[in-house]
Amino acid sequence: NAGVTQTPKFRILKIGQSMTLQCAQDMNHNYMYWYRQDPGMGLKLIYYSVGAGITDKGEVPNGYNVSRSTTEYFPLRLELAAPSQTSVYFCASSYPQTANYGYTFGSGTRLTVV
Amino acid sequence: QQQVKQSPQSLIVQKGGISIINCAYENTAFDYFPWYQQFPGKGPALLIAIRPDVSEKKEGRFTISFNKSAKQFSLHIMDSQPGDSATYFCAASTSYNTDKLIFGTGTRLQVFP
Repeated sequence: NAGVTQTPKFRILKIGQSMTLQCAQDMNHNYMYWYRQDPGMGLKLIYYSVGAGITDKGEVPNGYNVSRSTTEYFPLRLELAAPSQTSVYFCASSYPQTANYGYTFGSGTRLTVV
Repeated sequence: QQQVKQSPQSLIVQKGGISIINCAYENTAFDYFPWYQQFPGKGPALLIAIRPDVSEKKEGRFTISFNKSAKQFSLHIMDSQPGDSATYFCAASTSYNTDKLIFGTGTRLQVFP
């Protein structure tokens, strides 16, 4: 079981460039999430999905887009990178119907926009 | 009302001491309160969680204390060890709200030998 796999681990983007952060999970979790982590700010929810074909905005969705065509994959798209998007991005998944569920997080993607 | 306020921002404890991190919330609909532990360069990992039907939950050296009337919960780490040095996040969610976790701002714990 690999859990939640994120790629790439590090990336430097120039302002205005686009990229896709990849996220895959092999636990058959129906819920998936994207968070960004900034120093002293905790984790802020960007987008989430409760199943294939269903996505919704979180607390800080501006500048991002997501898709969920299958249970396993939940990519995050940055269309026009801005310095404010410099952050560490975490993908997570969960299966809330279990009694003591928790989020399984990936190891993160550190993105710098210059 | 969706916020979870966490304190302190950083904590330095000597080996063998007790580490205490506090969180407060406003939304009375929250019914699940987990704590996550994050080591540098890693994603957060679930440490321990509590639901409001109990006032305390203990797992090894880690204890959650929950005060429903005060809308506060805290993490106690007994006999703190250097290996406990990490960032700790409290969180809260409501069962009906697609289980979206609202995270606190984190506490960086350093345990010195």
